[in-house]
Amino acid sequence: ETGVTQSPTHLIKTRGQQVTLRCSSQSGHNTVSWYQQALGQGPQFIFQYYREEENGRGNFPPRFSGLQFPNYSSELNVNALELDDSALYLCASSLGLAGGIQETQYFGPGTRLLVL
Amino acid sequence: DAKTTQPNSMESNEEEPVHLPCNHSTISGTDYIHWYRQLPSQGPEYVIHGLTSNVNNRMASLAIAEDRKSSTLILHRATLRDAAVYYCILSTYNNNDMRFGAGTRLTVKP
Repeated sequence: ETGVTQSPTHLIKTRGQQVTLRCSSQSGHNTVSWYQQALGQGPQFIFQYYREEENGRGNFPPRFSGLQFPNYSSELNVNALELDDSALYLCASSLGLAGGIQETQYFGPGTRLLVL
Repeated sequence: DAKTTQPNSMESNEEEPVHLPCNHSTISGTDYIHWYRQLPSQGPEYVIHGLTSNVNNRMASLAIAEDRKSSTLILHRATLRDAAVYYCILSTYNNNDMRFGAGTRLTVKP
């Protein structure tokens, strides 16, 4: 039981719309990372937040944005949805100790987004 | 960027050991090697990680080559619940850019 939850579990949107996905990290975890996983592929790193500040970003355009809140929850926002945004979106939390190196990431079950 | 190469799929018989290989020839001196696995319809879960020395935990063992250009995840006795996609990942110093590849899909036969 990882304690990381995500909502909603499934979502259908149309091209051009905006979407907000939510994640609740394990209590005490200061770091949250978001990943996109297309069907049949491994997760791709979108970005990471540490204590409400962005702490690294993968190769994703600015229409992918995030927020992290003091209550260990976070959001992934995607604007101007495209068909290729259809994927499983995963969040992962970790303790976020000093330096943040080599910590175990605890993943949620993901939100499956379908863009029509 | 350092990347990993894994076989697409492997098969094992139940209760037999499984050796899952990973090549990472461009690994840098500060990269750690992580293994995660993803069971069907779940998010990835941590298995093990290491830097230079071999590592053991309750789930598996990690054998790292002396030149660190390859590693092997060892499941000592595969069970049906070990059927999953196994990812070998190199992490940056700050662990803020976990780069997953396509992974190895492990099938365990009864």
